[in-house]
Formats: sequence, structure tokens, C-alpha cells
Amino acid sequence: QKEVEQDPGPLSVPEGAIVSLNCTYSNSAFQYFMWYRQYSRKGPELLMYTYSSGNKEDGRFTAQVDKSSKYISLFIRDSQPSDSATYLCAMSATGNKLVFGAGTILRVKS
Amino acid sequence: GAVVSQHPSWVICKSGTSVKIECRSLDFQATTMFWYRQFPKQSLMLMATSNEGSKATYEQGVEKDKFLINHASLTLSTLTVTSAHPEDSSFYICSASRRGDEQFFGPGTRLTVL
Repeated sequence: QKEVEQDPGPLSVPEGAIVSLNCTYSNSAFQYFMWYRQYSRKGPELLMYTYSSGNKEDGRFTAQVDKSSKYISLFIRDSQPSDSATYLCAMSATGNKLVFGAGTILRVKS
Repeated sequence: GAVVSQHPSWVICKSGTSVKIECRSLDFQATTMFWYRQFPKQSLMLMATSNEGSKATYEQGVEKDKFLINHASLTLSTLTVTSAHPEDSSFYICSASRRGDEQFFGPGTRLTVL
């Protein structure tokens, strides 16, 4: 069993839809949770960074962490074609060494 | 802020040669830098972690004599792929951390070994 599980997709939605991306994990020591966006042949871009449980909102993005269920989510409101990318969840016990999910390919159709 | 650059962005080399990739934090001092490898349609795999002035810590299965990492300053780390072979062809990405928490990633270097 992988430490971090993430459905690779692809997930295809119409423009304006609410997108829900999820990861589950098995290591209860993880305390730091991140979401990255990666365009093709580019480095990952940090979208959201949360420590421990709870919600965090930034513009159209909301990150949720449920440590009791070992489940994290990223919601994208009013999705745009420019949001089409691969979304990677990542987590860490120490805040240092990251363990990544496989990444979910998102396609937003105009 | 928190910009990380990599050079070169793309390199093609012959089998048996060595290739050096640079990673720079442009507007902050990075206490720690990380090197990742990403194969097509796969996620990032951590290769090694380096702290300025210290030897790098390599992940299990990564040959330290093949992937030489130097972290000479708080803004520069280099990865040298020695005696490269076609199976080393991959996308190499570095990241830098200011305080050992958030990591900021470079744009990546695509290595093709013929």
C-alpha cells in the first residue's frame, strides 16, 4: 500500500464547475499537507499549505484536512480552462521530506 | 518572492558523459534544497536532501556516486549526473526551503541521454 493514494484521473469538467480533488494517506505522523499544481513539463507550483486539521481558503481554492480520516481535499470553485493541469497532493511528518501522491490530471472544458 | 530557477532547462548528452544541473534560489536563502526525479506520467520521487555546507542525504536506491550533489551556498545547489546512460533520462526538479517547511520548486530540467 502506498503511503499516499491519489486517483490519477483524468478528471474532466465543464468550465465553471466546482472541482473536488482528494488524497488519502496511511501515515498518521503526517502533519503538513500541501497541494501543488503542475503544468506539462514545468515544475510544481505551491497552491495551498496547511498544518494539521482544518480548512484553508485562498481565492477560488479551499483545502480541507481531516486527520481522523486521513483524508485531504482541494476544492476549486468556478473552474477555468487555465486550471487544466496535474494536481499533486504532498504531505510531510516533519515539514521537510515530502511524500507526493501520483497526481490527478484535471481538464476544464470551455 | 520565493523564486527558484534551474539551468539548463533542457539538455541532451551522449551516453557516458556527465551533466551538471544548477538550482538557484533567487530571492531568498535556502537552508535546505531537495532534488527530485519525475518520469513521464509519474509523480515526483525524492532523490536527495542537501543542507548548505553539509553532505547530501540520499534516499534509498539512489546512487550517491552517480548523482553528485553540491550545496556550496545558501542560494545554489548542483546535481551532477555522472556517466549518464539512457535510463537516466528523466525530468529533474529541485526545490528550496527557507525554514525547512514550505518547498518552492524550480521549473525542472529535462535530461535526454542518447
